[in-house]
Amino acid sequence: GAGVSQSPSNKVTEKGKDVELRCDPISGHTALYWYRQSLGQGLEFLIYFQGNSAPDKSGLPSDRFSAERTGGSVSTLTIQRTQQEDSAVYLCASSPDSNRYTFGSGTRLTVV
Amino acid sequence: AQKVTQAQTEISVVEKEDVTLDCVYETRDTTYYLFWYKQPPSGELVFLIRRNSFDEQNEISGRYSWNFQKSTSSFNFTITASQVVDSAVYFCALSGSSGSARQLTFGSGTQLTVLP
Repeated sequence: GAGVSQSPSNKVTEKGKDVELRCDPISGHTALYWYRQSLGQGLEFLIYFQGNSAPDKSGLPSDRFSAERTGGSVSTLTIQRTQQEDSAVYLCASSPDSNRYTFGSGTRLTVV
Repeated sequence: AQKVTQAQTEISVVEKEDVTLDCVYETRDTTYYLFWYKQPPSGELVFLIRRNSFDEQNEISGRYSWNFQKSTSSFNFTITASQVVDSAVYFCALSGSSGSARQLTFGSGTQLTVLP
């Protein structure tokens, strides 16, 4: 597609439930990143996929967070047993060479 | 580890004033890239500029200009003759060239408010 697509754009979930956030990167982009932006805060790195290499998971805040990227394209970020502090905007970005980044519009997650 | 510091949390100016947003970075890589992004109230991240570590030439694009100084590890952003539409959060970011440094590391952002 023309840009990075994220779905859903908004998600409200009850505390303790699992959620899945989806990212469709730009076709042909080998690198994919997930970031989290809490209200009024900067962007916090979560995870990075590059081609077929093992992902860099160093930013995941707890083992409740996981992500996968199937076929080098679509990525899903899963948050298990959601907590209120997980409420944030989750942003996905893709890049053809790890130095040019296109961001999606994000998924606003609200845990109630 | 790499780090980006934007010491100015909030700046408020009156329209037509010039304003400079500061950015200081830390990295062990010799090859790296610096970025500025704009995040207006609508929330999307708008790419403004990318500069690699080997190119220290200052850049001007319309009312925007960037001053990259490796000697002080700074990459400052100036808006000339600011306008109300410039009101946004501005993020400076850094990506390195090796290992975990290849992730894009953001500063905490500067909220710019331009008053009419």
